[in-house]
Amino acid sequence: GENVEQHPSTLSVQEGDSAVIKCTYSDSASNYFPWYKQELGKRPQLIIDIRSNVGEKKDQRIAVTLNKTAKHFSLHITETQPEDSAVYFCAASPPLGYNKLIFGAGTRLAVHP
Amino acid sequence: KAGVTQTPRYLIKTRGQQVTLSCSPISGHRSVSWYQQTPGQGLQFLFEYFSETQRNKGNFPGRFSGRQFSNSRSEMNVSTLELGDSALYLCASSPAGGSYEQYFGPGTRLTVT
Repeated sequence: GENVEQHPSTLSVQEGDSAVIKCTYSDSASNYFPWYKQELGKRPQLIIDIRSNVGEKKDQRIAVTLNKTAKHFSLHITETQPEDSAVYFCAASPPLGYNKLIFGAGTRLAVHP
Repeated sequence: KAGVTQTPRYLIKTRGQQVTLSCSPISGHRSVSWYQQTPGQGLQFLFEYFSETQRNKGNFPGRFSGRQFSNSRSEMNVSTLELGDSALYLCASSPAGGSYEQYFGPGTRLTVT
């Protein structure tokens, strides 16, 4: 069935370092891949997304890459700051999913000053 | 534009009771999806509505149901509550019909005792 695996489950970095979170999806026909950031007690917030016809997308310190052949996509955060500390979720939208998102289990990122 | 709103924010119910949760999407958005978030199972898709029609349903028992009104507001209902239904219930709205960005509401924290 539809599945998204996310690694690592926890990530600890020093302020200014880079952080990379990786996800693998099972349905090769998935066509939309968003990333969400969820701070404690708050709603998931869409931070970046990528569609299946694009290999990479950047937005300031955040970038997402997609490898359709390997069914991998990754989130890259450069120059991390303490306010980047949160749980990050990747997701994939199956074909004809009609806004159905399959989420990874989440990565808890801690950025230490 | 105002964001997605959900009511109530917190709810305590007893096993066997039923509950109705409400979601108002961003103005102009016609798609509403519902998710259940728990520490053990993460974020799981419940169902999605577009123009008052349920287009997709996740793997939840029939006790979980929903509907959408002509103004795009949506409700979900859980009947015969079980302890395992304790969770954060999130709705997300999207402007269009498929594979578009989804914006989450703050959620309704349901506790079943």
